[in-house]
Amino acid sequence: KAGVTQTPRYLIKTRGQQVTLSCSPISGHRSVSWYQQTPGQGLQFLFEYFSETQRNKGNFPGRFSGRQFSNSRSEMNVSTLELGDSALYLCASSLGGGLRDEQYFGPGTRLTVT
Amino acid sequence: AQRVTQPEKLLSVFKGAPVELKCNYSYSGSPELFWYVQYSRQRLQLLLRHISRESIKGFTADLNKGETSFHLKKPFAQEEDSAMYYCALLPMDSNYQLIWGAGTKLIIKP
Repeated sequence: KAGVTQTPRYLIKTRGQQVTLSCSPISGHRSVSWYQQTPGQGLQFLFEYFSETQRNKGNFPGRFSGRQFSNSRSEMNVSTLELGDSALYLCASSLGGGLRDEQYFGPGTRLTVT
Repeated sequence: AQRVTQPEKLLSVFKGAPVELKCNYSYSGSPELFWYVQYSRQRLQLLLRHISRESIKGFTADLNKGETSFHLKKPFAQEEDSAMYYCALLPMDSNYQLIWGAGTKLIIKP
């Protein structure tokens, strides 16, 4: 079974721009969660999607948004990028139980904002 | 506020020695707790969760609600246990999100 894939793997953007990251879950998984990982704050939960609906949301500003498509693929968008948005963005997929289920993580997208 | 604390950023022990990775949490309700592990050049993956009460790769973790702890233990460390370990809390209330500790880097010396 193919694992969770994330594209692109690396990204460099300028402050003020916007960015879209993509995540393809494991086949059959319907829940996709997103996390931000930084040296200072560690791993932080962004949001979780299930059946094209945002089911849970972390404590991030509205500049961070996401969506999920009918095939369970998910995208995350960050608008008006700030230097502090530089991070590794991880997505994870799981079966319908969402955060209670085992999270299968992707390799991450390394975003650098200059 | 809900919080997970892993007091040790780095833990170094000799092969064959016992290992205990500490995890303390602050949450007044009934939590679900997890240990995730990331081996070098690999993805973050689930090691174990308290509801399953099983031993994985020789590791066990017991939820102590009185001390609000979920320490990870292994009686005899092996070199392949060297990795980054994260404790995570899932509060079972309206604030339904995974809350992560900062992680502990475990190094097993030969």
